[in-house]
Amino acid sequence: QSVLTQPPSASGTPGQRVTISCSGSSSNIGNNFVYWYQQLPGTAPKVVIYRSNQRPSGVPDRFSGSQSGTSASLAISGLRSEDEADYYCAAWDDSLSGVLFGGGTKLTVL
Amino acid sequence: QVQLVESGGGVVQPGRSLRLSCSASGFPFSNFALHWVRQAPGKGLEWVAVTSYDGRTKYYADSLKGRFTISRDNSKNTLYLQMNNLRPEDTAIYYCAKSCGGDCYWELDPWGQGTLVIVSS
Repeated sequence: QSVLTQPPSASGTPGQRVTISCSGSSSNIGNNFVYWYQQLPGTAPKVVIYRSNQRPSGVPDRFSGSQSGTSASLAISGLRSEDEADYYCAAWDDSLSGVLFGGGTKLTVL
Repeated sequence: QVQLVESGGGVVQPGRSLRLSCSASGFPFSNFALHWVRQAPGKGLEWVAVTSYDGRTKYYADSLKGRFTISRDNSKNTLYLQMNNLRPEDTAIYYCAKSCGGDCYWELDPWGQGTLVIVSS
């Protein structure tokens, strides 16, 4: 099963803005919503962006999502130490009839 | 409050079978599709399967077709994953997750806490 492409790592200092990219194809990101999941160490993933650019209640407005063509991105502004986690993008793939996950990006707050 | 609780994990020998369960509460279970996702130790997320709200439609990751079967019992608010002919590479935490309503399969929110399966002799 193919995956969506994310950078393996990203980093920033407190207060900075970081962006994590997610690249796919016309059968997944190009035609479906993108979801972003945050996974803190030892815990289950939690959605931070749904339907490409929507933020669940309880998720700080420092988190935002965007989508253009076959790519998507997650931006975190005003970086905080508690944002240090693994982040995964995901989208339904029409050709595979299944969910594809990105390989994950480990965000480090320096 | 939506709650998903997985169970049934443990240590199993290669070639044996195991059935995982996911007990749900806090939402109208029979109205929502449900997923299984796994995560090998230190690795990323791998989608396993999804079943429609009524259990009639099921989709699987290509690599797992034929060995894993997803099912649900709407009378018991429980999702299952039957895993046969297990291999060491199936060692992972297995999560269940709720999708959106109707024929929606693209959302996974929320997730259970996961159950650990270790395939080893």
